[in-house]
Amino acid sequence: AQSVAQPEDQVNVAEGNPLTVKCTYSVSGNPYLFWYVQYPNRGLQFLLKYITGDNLVKGSYGFEAEFNKSQTSFHLKKPSALVSDSALYFCAVRALRGRKLIFGQGTTLQVKP
Amino acid sequence: GAVVSQHPSWVICKSGTSVKIECRSLDFQATTMFWYRQFPKQSLMLMATSNEGSKATYEQGVEKDKFLINHASLTLSTLTVTSAHPEDSSFYICSAPLREGSYNEQFFGPGTRLTVL
Repeated sequence: AQSVAQPEDQVNVAEGNPLTVKCTYSVSGNPYLFWYVQYPNRGLQFLLKYITGDNLVKGSYGFEAEFNKSQTSFHLKKPSALVSDSALYFCAVRALRGRKLIFGQGTTLQVKP
Repeated sequence: GAVVSQHPSWVICKSGTSVKIECRSLDFQATTMFWYRQFPKQSLMLMATSNEGSKATYEQGVEKDKFLINHASLTLSTLTVTSAHPEDSSFYICSAPLREGSYNEQFFGPGTRLTVL
């Protein structure tokens, strides 16, 4: 069965510092991995995805994520956090032949000035 | 980019009434749409897959008779919460893949906040 785990309910970081939001996954076969961001009372916005190719994926708003097959991880990173990055972040996985996205429980990112 | 809209953005209803939520793909056609439910500060739970021209596929534990889904056209899917109760209060989000078979590019609606009194 597919699953996604985001071990941290909340991540706090000071503005200007690097940030990491962790994600690990479990899926049969090659995973398709995604990060989405959600602002209060809004739908999800796509940040980036890993399908194949380079393990380091660059996405929107300066975010990037590194796919690590041996550790089954896909951590979201940003070199310098902004207060406006404060939001709820979701990691998601889709199996090779599946249509459905399975979401992690979400991590609230709080960036303080 | 592709846009998915939902209507209404929020709704308050009395217990026992039915509420219809619309999900529209504004600039592309979607033969498949997905309906999610999200509780406060929790993850998205997939409720069902809406299929144009055929019955919806419901996830385990989701009541088909309570959450009626109709994929009326290539740009519209509706979710009707029948005989709503306070425990149905939640944030409902739909999504649609940009192209049939390309489930890696899914666009999400802004969500509908349902409050049942």
